[in-house]
Amino acid sequence: QSVLTQPPSLSAAPGQKVTISCSGSSSNIGNYYVSWYQHLPRTAPKLLIYENNKRPSGIPDRFSGSKSGTSATLGITGLQTGDEADYYCGTWDTSLTTWVFGGGTKLTVL
Amino acid sequence: QLQLQESGPGLVKPSETLSLTCTVSGGSISGTTYYWDWIRQPPGKGLEWIGSIYYSGSTYYNPSLKSRVTISVDTSKNQFSLKLSSVTATDTAVYYCARHGDPYGDFDYWGQGTLVTVSS
Repeated sequence: QSVLTQPPSLSAAPGQKVTISCSGSSSNIGNYYVSWYQHLPRTAPKLLIYENNKRPSGIPDRFSGSKSGTSATLGITGLQTGDEADYYCGTWDTSLTTWVFGGGTKLTVL
Repeated sequence: QLQLQESGPGLVKPSETLSLTCTVSGGSISGTTYYWDWIRQPPGKGLEWIGSIYYSGSTYYNPSLKSRVTISVDTSKNQFSLKLSSVTATDTAVYYCARHGDPYGDFDYWGQGTLVTVSS
């Protein structure tokens, strides 16, 4: 069982908006930056959001991140079929002294 | 563009040592203030951070794996390596190498991953 909690799966239609939640505690999300990763099958995971809400160069502004207390959210607008992937949140956990990740959310665009 | 590529045996016998190498291209491991990481994902499960090595050679390990893990770096080959001893079936996973900058920051580059199966 993962330290950070994400919904296992979500689905939405092309063009719609979806939000993926990531719930943690004061030992992780509550006191550290959250990052989000997109993982398509047989490819390297890709950093989508860092420091809660910043996008690396090349990541479209359809992707956004936010954090409040011990939870974080990834938002994706204007869904495209190419957004079908697994999405993971991650952060440092000061109690466990390790990085922790969510279990992943499988996004289906149908 | 920085690229990371894992290599190593895809099958390891129980009780033996798993050894993987990550080759970095498009940038240098040495002299840059980055941490180089190993992360794994067992089938059907989430991601688990294994450990990091700083460019200076300092290492940091997941406490749950610390007794079995060794991460080293070979700057002459622009590679870093993972050794995990006394493996069992629970060590079967896709192993990724990655990089992060800030001590508690994000992983900005990842390899594609390599599946390692522990089985006799």
